[in-house]
Amino acid sequence: DAGITQSPRYKITETGRQVTLMCHQTWSHSYMFWYRQDLGHGLRLIYYSAAADITDKGEVPDGYVVSRSKTENFPLTLESATRSQTSVYFCASSEPLAGGSYEQYFGPGTRLTVT
Amino acid sequence: AQKVTQAQTEISVVEKEDVTLDCVYETRDTTYYLFWYKQPPSGELVFLIRRNSFDEQNEISGRYSWNFQKSTSSFNFTITASQVVDSAVYFCALTPPFSGGYNKLIFGAGTRLAVHP
Repeated sequence: DAGITQSPRYKITETGRQVTLMCHQTWSHSYMFWYRQDLGHGLRLIYYSAAADITDKGEVPDGYVVSRSKTENFPLTLESATRSQTSVYFCASSEPLAGGSYEQYFGPGTRLTVT
Repeated sequence: AQKVTQAQTEISVVEKEDVTLDCVYETRDTTYYLFWYKQPPSGELVFLIRRNSFDEQNEISGRYSWNFQKSTSSFNFTITASQVVDSAVYFCALTPPFSGGYNKLIFGAGTRLAVHP
């Protein structure tokens, strides 16, 4: 199916373990983003990417690593999970158009619990 | 600094009431885009509208309308004759595409709307 998918949808892991959240989009959008959603904070940007092999930090990057070897994939890795990383994670993509359209389209989210 | 404030944490209305969700933003950029997203109980984020800073015309789409006022840095969202299906968390967001780079979205904390039958 076309669109943006995330896997897994739900994950429980233990403190200290490495976890990778996957994001895949079929639109060939240049831009991809990872956000976390926590009560009272809305969505906060973790990392973003303008193209394959180009990534940069967002507002809350500590404890996370990203890579983008292919345009369609943007995995997010928690190198050593902590309880404070319990959250819902959203992946998004966008493609700026000549007219300046910047809306982002979001995946369904991954609910991560770190015990 | 760029910031989006949604002062209303939760709103509760009865079906068919009109409801306005407030959004106030801060940016030093002269060119920017504003958005509204809806997050229903199922959890996905649904894009509702985009507005650029040069277009202050209000927009209406069915029961939804948006009032953009640059003078007060506000981009408010009104639902007319609310329905139970409108129950969701609504997010206002800002993109300063040039100073922010990579069209990053800055979200407000969201307003939870509950529409009761």
